[in-house]
Amino acid sequence: KQEVTQIPAALSVPEGENLVLNCSFTDSAIYNLQWFRQDPGKGLTSLLLIQSSQREQTSGRLNASLDKSSGRSTLYIAASQPGDSATYLCAVTRGSTLGRLYFGRGTQLTVWP
Amino acid sequence: SAVISQKPSRDICQRGTSLTIQCQVDSQVTMMFWYRQQPGQSLTLIATANQGSEATYESGFVIDKFPISRPNLTFSTLTVSNMSPEDSSIYLCSVTEGDRVAHFGPGTRLTVT
Repeated sequence: KQEVTQIPAALSVPEGENLVLNCSFTDSAIYNLQWFRQDPGKGLTSLLLIQSSQREQTSGRLNASLDKSSGRSTLYIAASQPGDSATYLCAVTRGSTLGRLYFGRGTQLTVWP
Repeated sequence: SAVISQKPSRDICQRGTSLTIQCQVDSQVTMMFWYRQQPGQSLTLIATANQGSEATYESGFVIDKFPISRPNLTFSTLTVSNMSPEDSSIYLCSVTEGDRVAHFGPGTRLTVT
């Protein structure tokens, strides 16, 4: 069974810092990996999707990497802002059905001014 | 990207009753997914709902407890039956489009007293 672990569980940093959030998964046979942010009462917002054949994806201040062989992904947030405060979730696709995801418990990020 | 709405956004229910959660998508999709997020936990997939066929349930979830309907390609309902306090969770529906990104509704926050 696929297990997804995220470290750290919580992180509190001052504005402007560069951050790294970690995600690991036990079964390397994944189709893709996605990073989401979850804001209270607002569901999940997709941030980045990395296909299993890719090594990284970038969107603005966000960069996600994937090392499928070692079962690891990192989400790098550059120049953090208070608006980045949220819970960040990592999820991998289960089997061949896109949309069936295994989630980690998330990293709760607080960026203070 | 798909826009997903859910009703109700939150509810407080008494033990032993049932609640039906609605999920509406603004485009036609083949599969819809229902997730549960218990307090402090990660999201867990309950079932996959295909139009015109019975839902496929994940291990630990059964149809008698979580009956699902999928009458057309834009709508689905999840019923939480004979509720107990352990059913207090956020319930989210999700779809995955051609870009392979998973999109989520805003969630239904259920409290069972």
